Amino acid sequence: QSVLTQPPSASGTPGQRVTISCSGSSSNIGEYNVNWYQQLPGTAPKLLIYGINLRPSGVPDRFSGSKSGTSASLAISGLQSEDEADYYCAVWDAGLNGPVFGGGTTLTVL
Amino acid sequence: QVQLQESGPGLVKPSQTLSLICNVSGGSIISGGYYWSWIRQHPGKGLEWLGFIYHSGDTYYNPPLRSRAVISIDTSRNRFSLSLKSLTAADTAIYFCARSDMINYYSMDVWGPGTTVTVSS
Repeated sequence: QSVLTQPPSASGTPGQRVTISCSGSSSNIGEYNVNWYQQLPGTAPKLLIYGINLRPSGVPDRFSGSKSGTSASLAISGLQSEDEADYYCAVWDAGLNGPVFGGGTTLTVL
Repeated sequence: QVQLQESGPGLVKPSQTLSLICNVSGGSIISGGYYWSWIRQHPGKGLEWLGFIYHSGDTYYNPPLRSRAVISIDTSRNRFSLSLKSLTAADTAIYFCARSDMINYYSMDVWGPGTTVTVSS
C-alpha cells in the first residue's frame, strides 16, 4: 500500500483535458513540493514536473501541476495518443526521511 | 549530459546477495547537490525508493530494507552500487538507478534504463 494515493486508471479522448490526483498527508505533500514522473511502456520513468509546477526542459506546457493542502494534481491538456503512459507522483516524506511514490495511474487515450 | 547505466546479474538464487552497479557518465558523481538513488519496480507494480547516497558517503535507506541493503559509492570510478542480501522471490524486480536533485525537491532528473533481476533457484 503506497503512502500516496493515486487512482489506478484515468482516460480521455484526444484533445481533452485530464487530471490525475495524488493524496498524501501532512508529513509529505502537506509539507513538501510534489514531483511527477511519466513512464512509457517498457521504459524508465522520466521527470515530468518538479516543485509542484516546474517543467524540465523539453516537457510541453500541456503538462501542469498543482497542490492544495495534502493533495496534488497533474493536469494534461490537449491530450495526445503519445501521452498514454503510467504517471507517478512523488514527494519527500518526513517520517520516512526519504522520497515516497504514489501507486501510479495508467492513462489511456481512447 | 549525464547518463546512468545499471549492470548486474539477471538471475540470482534465493538467499544470495545481489550486487548492482550504476555507472555515471557525462558528469562527475561528486557534483554537489545530488544524491544517487536506487529505485525498483516489481513486475506490473509501482515504484519503490530503496535508498540513496551522497558523494561524501552519507546514505539513507527505505526503512523496510535498511537491514538488507548497502549502498556504496566509488568516486574514483564514477559509480555507485547496491548490495542486497538474503534475497527472496519478492526481490524480483526491475532495478533503476537515478540522480536525485536535492536543490529541486529531490526530483529524480536522470534515470538509467533499468536492469531486470529475477530471484529464482
